[in-house]
Amino acid sequence: GNSVTQMEGPVTLSEEAFLTINCTYTATGYPSLFWYVQYPGEGLQLLLKATKADDKGSNKGFEATYRKETTSFHLEKGSVQVSDSAVYFCALRVTQGGSEKLVFGKGTKLTVNP
Amino acid sequence: NAGVTQTPKFRVLKTGQSMTLLCAQDMNHEYMYWYRQDPGMGLRLIHYSVGEGTTAKGEVPDGYNVSRLKKQNFLLGLESAAPSQTSVYFCASSYSIRTSSNQPQHFGDGTRLSIL
Repeated sequence: GNSVTQMEGPVTLSEEAFLTINCTYTATGYPSLFWYVQYPGEGLQLLLKATKADDKGSNKGFEATYRKETTSFHLEKGSVQVSDSAVYFCALRVTQGGSEKLVFGKGTKLTVNP
Repeated sequence: NAGVTQTPKFRVLKTGQSMTLLCAQDMNHEYMYWYRQDPGMGLRLIHYSVGEGTTAKGEVPDGYNVSRLKKQNFLLGLESAAPSQTSVYFCASSYSIRTSSNQPQHFGDGTRLSIL
């Protein structure tokens, strides 16, 4: 089946620290991969995506590379800010029978302290 | 830019009551989805729709019904609410594969529902 496993939180960092949130997946075929971010009291927003092996998605200083050989899509940022405090979700998209579905990981809560 | 709008934002129900959550999108998306978000569980798909007049079951459909009478609206119904349905509900929409591939889902801000 299709599943996403991501690093359990919560993660607490100081401002300007390096961030890594691990994400691995199990899927049939070659899914597209996403990172979504959820700020307090809001819905999910797309942070970045990658649609094929070795693609690198990037946005707002965050990066993730689609690694088919390790079935991973780890999220990284070189220097986090207080405003990055949020819950981060890794997801894969599968296409079945002409429709598309997202399968989410359980989310990782990040808190960045000044 | 409204995007995906969910109403209501908060609601408290008693066990056995019924209610309908409304999702509206103004992006002309074909696909629409209802998820529930519970602590430590991530988002789980309840039902989805690939077009007006069509619906399908997701991962956790029991206790819920949906309707897609208009392309822009996707309704989620609870016929007889149970405490286990206390959750935050998110609606999302996206283009179909045929219209535009590799496009993300757009999410509403959620409905926080408590069942007493």
